[in-house]
Amino acid sequence: DTAVSQTPKYLVTQMGNDKSIKCEQNLGHDTMYWYKQDSKKFLKIMFSYNNKELIINETVPNRFSPKSPDKAHLNLHINSLELGDSAVYFCASRPGLADLYEQYFGPGTRLTVT
Amino acid sequence: GQQVMQIPQYQHVQEGEDFTTYCNSSTTLSNIQWYKQRPGGHPVFLIQLVKSGEVKKQKRLTFQFGEAKKNSSLHITATQTTDVGTYFCAGPGSQGNLIFGKGTKLSVKP
Repeated sequence: DTAVSQTPKYLVTQMGNDKSIKCEQNLGHDTMYWYKQDSKKFLKIMFSYNNKELIINETVPNRFSPKSPDKAHLNLHINSLELGDSAVYFCASRPGLADLYEQYFGPGTRLTVT
Repeated sequence: GQQVMQIPQYQHVQEGEDFTTYCNSSTTLSNIQWYKQRPGGHPVFLIQLVKSGEVKKQKRLTFQFGEAKKNSSLHITATQTTDVGTYFCAGPGSQGNLIFGKGTKLSVKP
């Protein structure tokens, strides 16, 4: 029944490592997003995809690379992890790009870089 | 660029007191959405306002959209401990995204 799922839920790793977070939605939505939420709870958009096409690529370090193998999946790979990457990463989806659509968030992945 | 400002950033209330969070946009919005994020959880959609001057209610929550469609508010009457969390407003961006306010974190003292 899970609408937007993410794995893993928690990720603890050392600086310099490479890690991936996976996201899947079973809502049939066309548009998916990655957000970073810092300790102050600010939701910062990182990327968005619509039908596997990259739409938004905010000023995010090149170490972050999204991949959408199909419109139900949007993964995030992070190279050479840094302390400042520690945050909660949320995947989200919407039916499409129209203004009136609400957004569905995944449960989040809490990334801790030591 | 397009911005959505939200105040206050934090609000501490005694249970039973009222609470209001305010949202302002630098541009006219076609609609505004509100989300709630419980501690340790993820943002969950609450409501969407579309019409100028629109007011919607959900039990103790009252949502308003300004006449100029540039501001909105969420008011909670007689807060309960279950209202604890961070409330976000969000307006549509130019690339099919939502622009979120920075959120108002509500804590309720029993």
